[in-house]
Amino acid sequence: ILNVEQSPQSLHVQEGDSTNFTCSFPSSNFYALHWYRWETAKSPEALFVMTLNGDEKKKGRISATLNTKEGYSYLYIKGSQPEDSATYLCAWHDRGSTLGRLYFGRGTQLTVWP
Amino acid sequence: DAGITQSPRYKITETGRQVTLMCHQTWSHSYMFWYRQDLGHGLRLIYYSAAADITDKGEVPDGYVVSRSKTENFPLTLESATRSQTSVYFCASLRGDYTIYFGEGSWLTVV
Repeated sequence: ILNVEQSPQSLHVQEGDSTNFTCSFPSSNFYALHWYRWETAKSPEALFVMTLNGDEKKKGRISATLNTKEGYSYLYIKGSQPEDSATYLCAWHDRGSTLGRLYFGRGTQLTVWP
Repeated sequence: DAGITQSPRYKITETGRQVTLMCHQTWSHSYMFWYRQDLGHGLRLIYYSAAADITDKGEVPDGYVVSRSKTENFPLTLESATRSQTSVYFCASLRGDYTIYFGEGSWLTVV
């Protein structure tokens, strides 16, 4: 089993704060890195799929960067809002695995206080 | 745009009973997956399927059986439920850009 690590495990911030989390993954045989947003009692929702070293993706106030050579990705949230409260999952897809077989981290649980 | 639907959403069953969780997708995606999510663990892959009649084991397949006679359906069966199979189960499918879409989950409690 290949390790995908996320840090921190949980994070509490005030509304308006900017925040970021880390996902680390094996740098060999990299194929793609996924970020998902998972609200309580709902299903995980795809944010980004990144495949190229140096990729940067943005969706509203959320952005992500990717470094495949060193095996990490950062997710940034600018000006956090209470509705951003969720668990953020990253998942790694290696070149040797069957298509779509992802290895998930345990997630970073974000709570944004008003 | 129904996407992926799972049923039942909530189920309580007794140890030793057979339980089937249903999954239906409306997109005709080739790849489908079953994950379980437990406290202290990330999402763990139980089984996946690359196409109708093609299935393979994931990380935690023991005690589960799957079938895929039609592209749109991917049921997961617990042949003889155990308490350790109490979990939230997510069905998912893969889009062409490698985005995975998840169903809303099936909460299963084995007593």
